[in-house]
Amino acid sequence: GQQLNQSPQSMFIQEGEDVSMNCTSSSIFNTWLWYKQEPGEGPVLLIALYKAGELTSNGRLTAQFGITRKDSFLNISASIPSDVGIYFCAGPGGAGNMLTFGGGTRLMVKP
Amino acid sequence: EPEVTQTPSHQVTQMGQEVILRCVPISNHLYFYWYRQILGQKVEFLVSFYNNEISEKSEIFDDQFSVERPDGSNFTLKIRSTKLEDSAMYFCASRWGRAPPGTDTQYFGPGTRLTVL
Repeated sequence: GQQLNQSPQSMFIQEGEDVSMNCTSSSIFNTWLWYKQEPGEGPVLLIALYKAGELTSNGRLTAQFGITRKDSFLNISASIPSDVGIYFCAGPGGAGNMLTFGGGTRLMVKP
Repeated sequence: EPEVTQTPSHQVTQMGQEVILRCVPISNHLYFYWYRQILGQKVEFLVSFYNNEISEKSEIFDDQFSVERPDGSNFTLKIRSTKLEDSAMYFCASRWGRAPPGTDTQYFGPGTRLTVL
């Protein structure tokens, strides 16, 4: 089946620093999604990418859909303590558009 | 803003017991999903449901699992005889489903934490 590999697995950074994480796939996706999960909650959609090469921003977050359609990255600029959480990439597929999730990047921000 | 809701937030059960997890998807959505997340691991797809039937299921979704939309608003996941390894967070999600495939997104509920003792 399709697999998404995320790196790094975890990051511990100082408040104000920029963050970059990426996701690679063993196969092509036509849509890339980035979700954030906070403790005890469900994933919340941050950014959706629908076209190869697309660069999309949502506040301090920027994500790009790789030209090969097998990768994507998410950047967070000027991190703040509330950015803490696990960031997942995901891609839809199959008859029911089921989501395949990456393993997640755990972000910790030191004030 | 409409949201997916799930009840209960936490369910504790004995091994071998049946559990039913409940979800109320966003009201005009057509596609419904269940996912699970074992502690510390990634979110895994279980099943998708459309037009009152299962459209896709993963190998995790064996005969012990079933889903139902008993009325116009609820969407349930039943585990007939729970095992220790069923302990996980279970997330319901829904999708509008009228846009071209892959262009509308799934919205997740807050999850039910299932603990099997």
